[in-house]
Amino acid sequence: DSGVTQTPKHLITATGQRVTLRCSPRSGDLSVYWYQQSLDQGLQFLIQYYNGEERAKGNILERFSAQQFPDLHSELNLSSLELGDSALYFCASSAGGLSTDTQYFGPGTRLTVL
Amino acid sequence: EDQVTQSPEALRLQEGESSSLNCSYTVSGLRGLFWYRQDPGKGPEFLFTLYSAGEEKEKERLKATLTKKESFLHITAPKPEDSATYLCAALPRNSGGGADGLTFGKGTHLIIQP
Repeated sequence: DSGVTQTPKHLITATGQRVTLRCSPRSGDLSVYWYQQSLDQGLQFLIQYYNGEERAKGNILERFSAQQFPDLHSELNLSSLELGDSALYFCASSAGGLSTDTQYFGPGTRLTVL
Repeated sequence: EDQVTQSPEALRLQEGESSSLNCSYTVSGLRGLFWYRQDPGKGPEFLFTLYSAGEEKEKERLKATLTKKESFLHITAPKPEDSATYLCAALPRNSGGGADGLTFGKGTHLIIQP
């Protein structure tokens, strides 16, 4: 158990809908990262927040957005969902803002778009 | 473009049969090379971080090494419980400073048969 929690575990929705995924980092960690894992693309970095502020962006679509709240939990919002958005979404956390800090991953949310 | 390539894609070994997994990387300056283990339907579990060529780290039956172009994960006398997908990830230099997400390879699916 990494100490990172994610809810929900599974999510099934329809095309065009909007969903919110939630992540609570390990106690004391200030950085939260979001990744998408699909069968063909592997794990892809989406976005990072550090202590409430956006720190780095990866391959995140404009239809996706995220935020980190004062209690350090984070939410990833996915809108206008398409079939291709079906994937595992992982949150990871690290202690501080140093890029070389180890990232610890949560158990993931499996999103299925029908 | 930063890229991480892992080989082989899949590997089947007999219990006790040692082998190595390869991770080749082409990134714009390497700040760290990470190895993770991922079981089906679960989040990646951290194994090692390597920072400079020549560095080695060991944990039980696993040893990770790093050169200027690639990293190896050596598995000695593996057991069935070592069966998993092993992921390699590189942290490239961020020219703008600050943190960044990991660039992952697609993984090596390892099966250890009793």
